Amino acid sequence: DAKTTQPPSMDCAEGRAANLPCNHSTISGNEYVYWYRQIHSQGPQYIIHGLKNNETNEMASLIITEDRKSSTLILPHATLRDTAVYYCIVRSTIQGAQKLVFGQGTRLTINP
Amino acid sequence: DTGVSQDPRHKITKRGQNVTFRCDPISEHNRLYWYRQTLGQGPEFLTYFQNEAQLEKSRLLSDRFSAERPKGSFSTLEIQRTEQGDSAMYLCASSLLQGQTQYFGPGTRLLVL
Repeated sequence: DAKTTQPPSMDCAEGRAANLPCNHSTISGNEYVYWYRQIHSQGPQYIIHGLKNNETNEMASLIITEDRKSSTLILPHATLRDTAVYYCIVRSTIQGAQKLVFGQGTRLTINP
Repeated sequence: DTGVSQDPRHKITKRGQNVTFRCDPISEHNRLYWYRQTLGQGPEFLTYFQNEAQLEKSRLLSDRFSAERPKGSFSTLEIQRTEQGDSAMYLCASSLLQGQTQYFGPGTRLLVL
């Protein structure tokens, strides 16, 4: 699976949009971009994933560049409960490529 | 739809003791995964099952570790002769089909004294 690069930490004011970047310049055509977050002492929580098109669900939006080499997770109205470590993961769906490979993630702090 | 559950949530043991953790996946999920997470690091893959078959094991899974999923439902992870380096959060995840999203449980935090 391709490696990802994320900033180690970010801050955002409560109520503002949090934009978390991720670089995955070696991504291949059959690899999806997944985002998870982990609130302190809990298991990772699935947020969203995408292949080529932008995606939106009740938690967030995922913007993938046209060349697929980077993406941005957007939390539109951040709350204090969004403080967590956010992981961007590139994952193949071909046979035998089942595991998720986590990096260090981005520690997002939402400030009141 | 109940989520992935793990038991116990916390375990303190002495070096050299054996410990066993249980994971109950989301109902009807046929894939089950184990990960380990040490302090300050992201989770690392250990092994996964499709139904009762263990299909992949990481090099992190030493001879002291064994995982089972005898009936294709719940799974157990046993660590024999625990060492202080085994102290970590052990995470379980499940997914419905190949390539589908993995959903994680709350984890079991192990402390080896």
